[in-house]
Amino acid sequence: AQTVTQSQPEMSVQEAETVTLSCTYDTSENNYYLFWYKQPPSRQMILVIRQEAYKQQNATENRFSVNFQKAAKSFSLKISDSQLGDTAMYFCAFMKGSGGGADGLTFGKGTHLIIQP
Amino acid sequence: DAGVIQSPRHEVTEMGQEVTLRCKPISGHNSLFWYRQTMMRGLELLIYFNNNVPIDDSGMPEDRFSAKMPNASFSTLKIQPSEPRDSAVYFCASSPERLAGDNEQFFGPGTRLTVL
Repeated sequence: AQTVTQSQPEMSVQEAETVTLSCTYDTSENNYYLFWYKQPPSRQMILVIRQEAYKQQNATENRFSVNFQKAAKSFSLKISDSQLGDTAMYFCAFMKGSGGGADGLTFGKGTHLIIQP
Repeated sequence: DAGVIQSPRHEVTEMGQEVTLRCKPISGHNSLFWYRQTMMRGLELLIYFNNNVPIDDSGMPEDRFSAKMPNASFSTLKIQPSEPRDSAVYFCASSPERLAGDNEQFFGPGTRLTVL
């Protein structure tokens, strides 16, 4: 079974600062995918960024980037130039890579990120 | 596209009653997932379907929970009888065929269930 650990229950930074959210995982799989989801107060789950384990290059989506360290089983999310709208719960998630069809996500407990004006 | 549709958005019921949650996945998606979110346990996968067939139901808490997907555009999650500890937000998500990384799961708005 896979486990995902987010060790920071809550973080608070000033607007425009850079913040990094930590995530570690444990798996015996070699082929898998990692995700960061954002859940604002509306509770809608929104995909922020994803990383294929076989890709060495770190994924980037505008102000969001990841630091994927496969050997260390670490997958942190960096948010640059943070904005008030980034205030939300952030969940790290793991999915096995299997042939044909999708698999369920294993989530961490989440980090509540607060952007202060 | 309307996205994943869930109904009802809120449900309040009394212990012992039957509860049915409904989900309409995004058209063309062939995988459907049911998750539960609570403060204590976080987000948990309950069950998922590929091409309307249940693949993994190991996350279903107990026999009181059942899920069906009679066709590609509709799924239900039923709790009978309901208990206060079932109070949670239940999410449905759908995903397209996994080709070249098309494995993003699109979540519905969730159903907040309160069992008194």
